[in-house]
Amino acid sequence: SQKIEQNSEALNIQEGKTATLTCNYTNYSPAYLQWYRQDPGRGPVFLLLIRENEKEKRKERLKVTFDTTLKQSLFHITASQPADSATYLCALDTGGFKTIFGAGTRLFVKA
Amino acid sequence: KAGVTQTPRYLIKTRGQQVTLSCSPISGHRSVSWYQQTPGQGLQFLFEYFSETQRNKGNFPGRFSGRQFSNSRSEMNVSTLELGDSALYLCASSLETSGGGYNEQFFGPGTRLTVL
Repeated sequence: SQKIEQNSEALNIQEGKTATLTCNYTNYSPAYLQWYRQDPGRGPVFLLLIRENEKEKRKERLKVTFDTTLKQSLFHITASQPADSATYLCALDTGGFKTIFGAGTRLFVKA
Repeated sequence: KAGVTQTPRYLIKTRGQQVTLSCSPISGHRSVSWYQQTPGQGLQFLFEYFSETQRNKGNFPGRFSGRQFSNSRSEMNVSTLELGDSALYLCASSLETSGGGYNEQFFGPGTRLTVL
């Protein structure tokens, strides 16, 4: 069955460091992958989308990589700030008008 | 542009009752998806609608149903509520490009349903 996993439930880092979150999937060949941010009590907010033919995508302090051979995406936040503390979700298109989300990684950035 | 709106924001029901949740997508968005979010299961896909047609459905019992209207607004209904249906129900809209494909989803604030 289709499966999507995010490396850890929680990640604690110091302000200014780079946070790296991992998303692994099996039994998929997604055309693209997305990353979302979710704050408590709110709906997820779209951050970045990377297509299968793109290896890397950047937006300000955010960087996403997509390795279709390893079936893995890495999400980096450079120069992290306490305001980056949130849950980050990766999401895959399954090709049938259905998006599968990972369980999320809660990021805590300590000042 | 106004974002995705969901009503009501909070709802308390008792077991056995039924509930209808509403979602208004961003103007111009014709795809609407519904998700159930619980602490244990995360975001689980319920169904997706486009131009009043359900194009895909997740692994939920038949008690969960939905529909989409000609103005792209969508409703979902849960009948015979169970305690385990307590969750945050999220609606998301998406703009389909002329070439097909699926772009980023814009989520509403959700409806928090509590079943007692």
